[in-house]
Amino acid sequence: DTGVSQDPRHKITKRGQNVTFRCDPISEHNRLYWYRQTLGQGPEFLTYFQNEAQLEKSRLLSDRFSAERPKGSFSTLEIQRTEQGDSAMYLCASRDRDTEAFFGQGTRLTVV
Amino acid sequence: SQQGEEDPQALSIQEGENATMNCSYKTSINNLQWYRQNSGRGLVHLILIRSNEREKHSGRLRVTLDTSKKSSSLLITASRAADTASYFCATDAPDYKLSFGAGTTVTVRA
Repeated sequence: DTGVSQDPRHKITKRGQNVTFRCDPISEHNRLYWYRQTLGQGPEFLTYFQNEAQLEKSRLLSDRFSAERPKGSFSTLEIQRTEQGDSAMYLCASRDRDTEAFFGQGTRLTVV
Repeated sequence: SQQGEEDPQALSIQEGENATMNCSYKTSINNLQWYRQNSGRGLVHLILIRSNEREKHSGRLRVTLDTSKKSSSLLITASRAADTASYFCATDAPDYKLSFGAGTTVTVRA
């Protein structure tokens, strides 16, 4: 298994554009998490899935953010009408039940 | 909002010294985990301690958990330059939501 992979690694977009990130978890992991991290801060929880069910979405997220995990496999995170404040590292992690989480290398988003 | 809060925010020590950082949290947990993040890299899992455990060791790492005080500590013994990183505690709530604190930045001086 190659671990958790995220695509793209870097994304530069103009303000107002939509962006979509992909996360491929470790295949047997039923839980998948999305986080956002800015410089000097810890990972901020965005949302998580158990199989294909989205269990919680952070109240801090606006309606511009949406995530899916069709068929309980890979997941996508979409940000609509991006703003400069959306610039951050977006991290994906997966785990099996209540064990350790494995993180991808992240997608760095820059909104110009 | 973040569940766990690490203390101190930053720590600078000499190579060979021990480093201790603490984590406090607010609600009941299944387990508590510690992660390391080197600059610009992804998070790497270090150790997991379950709510019915009080202490756990892994190599030069020692973690304690006090559920009555809702706190945990991570001790790194005989630190090395390679231990320079940010360290985060993560609380695993009963609904399997994994929440991270703001982290402790550790700098090990040669």
